[in-house]
Amino acid sequence: QSVLTQPPSVSGAPGQRVTISCTGSSSNIGAGYDVHWYQQLPGTAPKLLIYGNSNRPSGVPDRISGSKSGTSASLAITGLQAEDEGNYYCQSYDSSLSVWVFGGGTKLTVL
Amino acid sequence: EVQLLESGGGLVQPGGSLTLSCAASRFTFNTYAMSWVRQAPGKGLEWVSHISGSGGNTNYADSVKGRFTISRDTSKNTLYLQMNSLRGEDTAIYYCAKVSGSSWFDLWGRGTLVTVAS
Repeated sequence: QSVLTQPPSVSGAPGQRVTISCTGSSSNIGAGYDVHWYQQLPGTAPKLLIYGNSNRPSGVPDRISGSKSGTSASLAITGLQAEDEGNYYCQSYDSSLSVWVFGGGTKLTVL
Repeated sequence: EVQLLESGGGLVQPGGSLTLSCAASRFTFNTYAMSWVRQAPGKGLEWVSHISGSGGNTNYADSVKGRFTISRDTSKNTLYLQMNSLRGEDTAIYYCAKVSGSSWFDLWGRGTLVTVAS
């Protein structure tokens, strides 16, 4: 069981908006540690999508955004495209475990 | 092109050892912390180990503590993971990742597959 909790799956039609939640606790997200998001397309390595809760690396389109509040964070993707289909992971740091932690991952299906 | 390239994976028997390497190119290797992250077949990501830019500080997940050793050779721009007493549950793709802001992984290698089986 992962320290950070994500829904196993989400889906949406092309052009729609989807959100993926990431719930932590007072020893990680709630303690003020930043949340980062990764996209893993089938058969490829993870790719950084959002860092520092809401910042996009160069090359990531602005239809992808992140936010954080309390002990949770969210990733939003608008204007859903077929190439967005894959797995998405949130990540933070846990001070009580002294380890970097990932969510269990969310599979995004574009209908 | 800035990149990381892992090598050294393969099939090993339970109880055996293996050393993974990760060659870094086109960035100032010794100024960044590095980590190993693994992914068991069909599963999610699991952080394994972390080493500071100087190599003086290391951290390990409880699942590998005492069995795995992370190190780096600045002269060769290479990160290593020495894995001993391997178990079936260590079977996974092992990725090396560059750490930025002490917190996020902004560059990943393609991964190397380690299979522990008899």
